[in-house]
Amino acid sequence: AQKVTQAQTEISVVEKEDVTLDCVYETRDTTYYLFWYKQPPSGELVFLIRRNSFDEQNEISGRYSWNFQKSTSSFNFTITASQVVDSAVYFCALTDNQGGKLIFGQGTELSVKP
Amino acid sequence: DSGVTQTPKHLITATGQRVTLRCSPRSGDLSVYWYQQSLDQGLQFLIQYYNGEERAKGNILERFSAQQFPDLHSELNLSSLELGDSALYFCASSATYLPGQGYNEQFFGPGTRLTVL
Repeated sequence: AQKVTQAQTEISVVEKEDVTLDCVYETRDTTYYLFWYKQPPSGELVFLIRRNSFDEQNEISGRYSWNFQKSTSSFNFTITASQVVDSAVYFCALTDNQGGKLIFGQGTELSVKP
Repeated sequence: DSGVTQTPKHLITATGQRVTLRCSPRSGDLSVYWYQQSLDQGLQFLIQYYNGEERAKGNILERFSAQQFPDLHSELNLSSLELGDSALYFCASSATYLPGQGYNEQFFGPGTRLTVL
């Protein structure tokens, strides 16, 4: 069965600190897709990134970067120089190549204090 | 703005009642997904439709049903409501669904917050 684990329930940092959100997944599929979503206090779910299982290249987008390691089944998310606006719940999710349904982790609540 | 719309934004009702949640996908998206977010269960997949046909089912209760109409909007019907059904219900849409060829990321609507009293 597929499963996503985000072991960090809550993280609190001070503005400008770097922070890494961990995500570990389980799947028997050889082709799968990984995602990160952000849920700010307003409640909507905002898509951040999609990664295919056959593409292990890390990605950087501004202050955000993602480290995908198949060997450890991890897809970690780093925010560099965090800002107060980064405060949100971040979800890691997984899906297979068939149904498209997303399996979400429990989420990590990030609080960035000024 | 994701382009996915959901109505109503908030819904307060009593136990035993029936409600309908509505979702309009992004223009051109054929796949619609419904998810439930609650404190104890987290974000859970309920059901998926593709171009009017049901494609996948998650842990959706028998009291819940959904459909996707020819104009691609979707409705989630919740009946015989219980206190435990109080949750945030999200609709998401994606551009393609091709078995064996992958699919695109899902874009979520703002959600409908259901409160059952």
